[in-house]
Amino acid sequence: GAVVSQHPSRVICKSGTSVKIECRSLDFQATTMFWYRQFPKKSLMLMATSNEGSKATYEQGVEKDKFLINHASLTLSTLTVTSAHPEDSSFYICSAKRQGVGGYTFGSGTRLTVV
Amino acid sequence: AQTVTQSQPEMSVQEAETVTLSCTYDTSENNYYLFWYKQPPSRQMILVIRQEAYKQQNATENRFSVNFQKAAKSFSLKISDSQLGDTAMYFCAFMTGTASKLTFGTGTRLQVTL
Repeated sequence: GAVVSQHPSRVICKSGTSVKIECRSLDFQATTMFWYRQFPKKSLMLMATSNEGSKATYEQGVEKDKFLINHASLTLSTLTVTSAHPEDSSFYICSAKRQGVGGYTFGSGTRLTVV
Repeated sequence: AQTVTQSQPEMSVQEAETVTLSCTYDTSENNYYLFWYKQPPSRQMILVIRQEAYKQQNATENRFSVNFQKAAKSFSLKISDSQLGDTAMYFCAFMTGTASKLTFGTGTRLQVTL
């Protein structure tokens, strides 16, 4: 149980276009989901906390208009990278919080390449 | 703000041997939780072990155990009988009782060799 599905696993897009990444909790409801960015051989950097039915909470330095987050249901959060540029190329990971301490399940990540 | 420090960027251990990964953290909170996550080459984050700060007993999960020193704000991970499949990045993570978000350390790359 407690599976989080993240799609796509890899995406290549052209500069200036937008790309949407989906994060779904398959067998539990997640009122809170988190979006991370990970650079090569680096740690996970929290970008934002996604709350179902309300606006996301962004970490300092993360552009809200660049990284749009929508959490419209208890099982789905999406991250849209708008007007993507090569510097947005990275590995993006979502996680969903289950009930109880330590109840975090991670998606398998999305490798975004902007060309 | 909470910070998590992993001072060992890379470590190597021979198969069947024991290795300890270090982690220190800084917080003014009294109620918090600590975790070790493993990220193998597939990049899937996998929970290895967790520790509640209010518990004095060190957590253990099969070959994995922690040495939690609350006063020293230290949370090291011991891997016994290392296996090739233990090769991965290991991240120490921290969460307060009030906030939901995890704060990760910079990671330790562990290589298990024959």
